[in-house]
Amino acid sequence: KQEVTQIPAALSVPEGENLVLNCSFTDSAIYNLQWFRQDPGKGLTSLLLIQSSQREQTSGRLNASLDKSSGRSTLYIAASQPGDSATYLCAVRPPDTGTASKLTFGTGTRLQVTL
Amino acid sequence: EAGVTQSPTHLIKTRGQQATLRCSPISGHTSVYWYQQALGLGLQFLLWYDEGEERNRGNFPPRFSGRQFPNYSSELNVNALELEDSALYLCASSLVGLAGGRSYNEQFFGPGTRLTVL
Repeated sequence: KQEVTQIPAALSVPEGENLVLNCSFTDSAIYNLQWFRQDPGKGLTSLLLIQSSQREQTSGRLNASLDKSSGRSTLYIAASQPGDSATYLCAVRPPDTGTASKLTFGTGTRLQVTL
Repeated sequence: EAGVTQSPTHLIKTRGQQATLRCSPISGHTSVYWYQQALGLGLQFLLWYDEGEERNRGNFPPRFSGRQFPNYSSELNVNALELEDSALYLCASSLVGLAGGRSYNEQFFGPGTRLTVL
């Protein structure tokens, strides 16, 4: 059974700092990995998706890497801003066998960027 | 392009009642997924529908059910509501379900329906 863990559970940084969020998963047989952000009481916003054959994806100040063999992914946020404050979730999808299209989510990292 | 929409935004029911939640996927998406986010439990997969059929379900009792309509919108029904069913219910859609062909199977989420059971 796939288990996804995110460390740290919570993080507070001053504005302008670069930071790294970690995601680890127990079963390396994944189809892809997605990073999301969730604002309090809201739905999920997809940030980046990395296919199992890829090593990293970039979007603006965000960079996500994937090391499938070691079961790890990191989300790097450059020059953090107060608007980045949210909970960040990673989710893995198993190989597309036709019956297992669900995402398994990590526990999330609650990020607060202070002025 | 409109994103995934869900209705209602909030729903308050009493124990034993039935709740119906609705989801409209992004235009062109054929797969719809339902997830439950209960306080302290994280996001749990509930159901996956593709082309009108249930393809997979998570570890939830049968009183959680749903369907997908010909226009690919979906309903989630929860019967005999219990207090622990109180949660944010999220719907997601994606372009590819069972069929291969496309490399990317990114799931896009709606804003959710907050169900409160009293």
